[in-house]
Amino acid sequence: KNEVEQSPQNLTAQEGEFITINCSYSVGISALHWLQQHPGGGIVSLFMLSSGKKKHGRLIATINIQEKHSSLHITASHPRDSAVYICAVRGATNKLIFGTGTLLAVQP
Amino acid sequence: DTEVTQTPKHLVMGMTNKKSLKCEQHMGHRAMYWYKQKAKKPPELMFVYSYEKLSINESVPSRFSPECPNSSLLNLHLHALQPEDSALYLCASSQVNRVDEKLFFGSGTQLSVL
Repeated sequence: KNEVEQSPQNLTAQEGEFITINCSYSVGISALHWLQQHPGGGIVSLFMLSSGKKKHGRLIATINIQEKHSSLHITASHPRDSAVYICAVRGATNKLIFGTGTLLAVQP
Repeated sequence: DTEVTQTPKHLVMGMTNKKSLKCEQHMGHRAMYWYKQKAKKPPELMFVYSYEKLSINESVPSRFSPECPNSSLLNLHLHALQPEDSALYLCASSQVNRVDEKLFFGSGTQLSVL
């Protein structure tokens, strides 16, 4: 079992839909990152959380430390949101542990 | 400037070639990282430099040789690679190598070894 699990692995949505991607982890962490990667491309850091909730534009990230769970929400989704979304945690070893990613396709 | 710039974007090399990947940032970050990513897999950490000194080597084969000539530049020298080394190589940086620091990633070098 991976230390960082994401669900769903694949997600197809219609433009305008509200999207939720979930991340559960089994290790103690100091910070959790949500990353976005377009096909064949580099990675963009969306959020870094250690508690609570953060919002940036149409993106919202929440974390529940007690439950070891985080969610990434996209409101009013758009085709340009189509990408792989990766949850990664940084724990005692100070190394990033990556989830396997969620492939999101938003159709017009 | 909040960019991490990687060159080249694409590289094709033979198994006997010697090539180098370059990564540059001008954010004043003192921690820089090399990651390797195979298709449809998460990135795997290769090396970490902290204040221009190698602090982590994740048991990477010696055919990969990192170099940090100054605080803005990180190189990855490649020699006698194998076809299974074909992957996307990502560079990242952060202010320092600390758990609460945000990472900034480059767009990667897509490497093909023939």
